[in-house]
Amino acid sequence: DAGVIQSPRHEVTEMGQEVTLRCKPISGHNSLFWYRQTMMRGLELLIYFNNNVPIDDSGMPEDRFSAKMPNASFSTLKIQPSEPRDSAVYFCASSLMGQDQPQHFGDGTRLSIL
Amino acid sequence: QKEVEQDPGPLSVPEGAIVSLNCTYSNSAFQYFMWYRQYSRKGPELLMYTYSSGNKEDGRFTAQVDKSSKYISLFIRDSQPSDSATYLCAMNAGTYKYIFGTGTRLKVLA
Repeated sequence: DAGVIQSPRHEVTEMGQEVTLRCKPISGHNSLFWYRQTMMRGLELLIYFNNNVPIDDSGMPEDRFSAKMPNASFSTLKIQPSEPRDSAVYFCASSLMGQDQPQHFGDGTRLSIL
Repeated sequence: QKEVEQDPGPLSVPEGAIVSLNCTYSNSAFQYFMWYRQYSRKGPELLMYTYSSGNKEDGRFTAQVDKSSKYISLFIRDSQPSDSATYLCAMNAGTYKYIFGTGTRLKVLA
């Protein structure tokens, strides 16, 4: 079975540009998570969707960050305008709904803002 | 104090050694405990998943949870160079919100 698919794998762009990261969750999973990973802070939850509806966006750092899930098989995380401190690896994860269901991660997008 | 503490390493061991990786936590409400393995430039991969206290074994890997001490461990027997990775512990209190450790880098030397 295909796992969580993220694109692009790498993104390098200049400060001020809009960045869009994409995620395709595992088919049949109805929970989707966006995380950011840095050396200093580890993995931080940005936003959680359940059945395509944003449930918890308290981890989104600023209004420059937005996320959407228009259908069960696609989600985007957008940063506009981007800043150098946004440089990190962004992961998408999905799971079946339920407190005992483990999360499965994609391979991430490595984002560098110059 | 962080909710989950994990020694960042790096931990270097010779091939064939028994490896012990540990996390401590402060929230007594945590019920589900996970270990993820993350290779360089890849996403975290679920390795072990346990509920409440006790041991769970899967091949060369054993996960141990001691809720009374708020301490979890992952043991790797007969370690291999292919086990070289960062190991992340994660836990939750029965909700969607996982709290991750910052990871321990392990290097198994051939």
